[in-house]
Amino acid sequence: GEDVEQSLFLSVREGDSSVINCTYTDSSSTYLYWYKQEPGAGLQLLTYIFSNMDMKQDQRLTVLLNKKDKHLSLRIADTQTGDSAIYFCAESIVGGSQGNLIFGKGTKLSVKP
Amino acid sequence: KAGVTQTPRYLIKTRGQQVTLSCSPISGHRSVSWYQQTPGQGLQFLFEYFSETQRNKGNFPGRFSGRQFSNSRSEMNVSTLELGDSALYLCASSLTQPGQGSGYTFGSGTRLTVV
Repeated sequence: GEDVEQSLFLSVREGDSSVINCTYTDSSSTYLYWYKQEPGAGLQLLTYIFSNMDMKQDQRLTVLLNKKDKHLSLRIADTQTGDSAIYFCAESIVGGSQGNLIFGKGTKLSVKP
Repeated sequence: KAGVTQTPRYLIKTRGQQVTLSCSPISGHRSVSWYQQTPGQGLQFLFEYFSETQRNKGNFPGRFSGRQFSNSRSEMNVSTLELGDSALYLCASSLTQPGQGSGYTFGSGTRLTVV
């Protein structure tokens, strides 16, 4: 079945760049998403990329997509302590039994001052 | 523009009871999905509704049910609660039909604790 994998933890220093990686299995995914979850909160959509794009930049966020390797990454430039959260990668599948969004387990980003 | 509103934010129920959770999508959004989030299983899909019709259902027992009203508001119900149903229940709304992109906007969730 469909699966999305992410590393569970990432620790960086304030001001450094963070790179969160994700691999997915379904080559028919049309959109891939990055969500952020802060403690006690729901999921906040950060950005998404259409599957025919290689890169998308939005202020401090850069998304890279390697469709051949089914690899997605999120780069956060100049990481701040407020960026500490769990980041979820998700691929969109139409009509699958796991729903239209298949999520990874999330990467917990810790930013040290 | 109001976001996705989920009520209540917190619930404590006893095993065997039933519970109803509510979700009001963003105005104009017709697609509503429900997810269960637990530390062990992560985010698991429950069901999706579009224009009052259930379009997709996840692998949950029949104790979990839902519906969508003509104003796009959605409710989910869990009957005969078990300890393992303790979780954060998240609702997401989307402007477009399933699979057409545009992203899903999530509510803050309902934290259900079963004791």
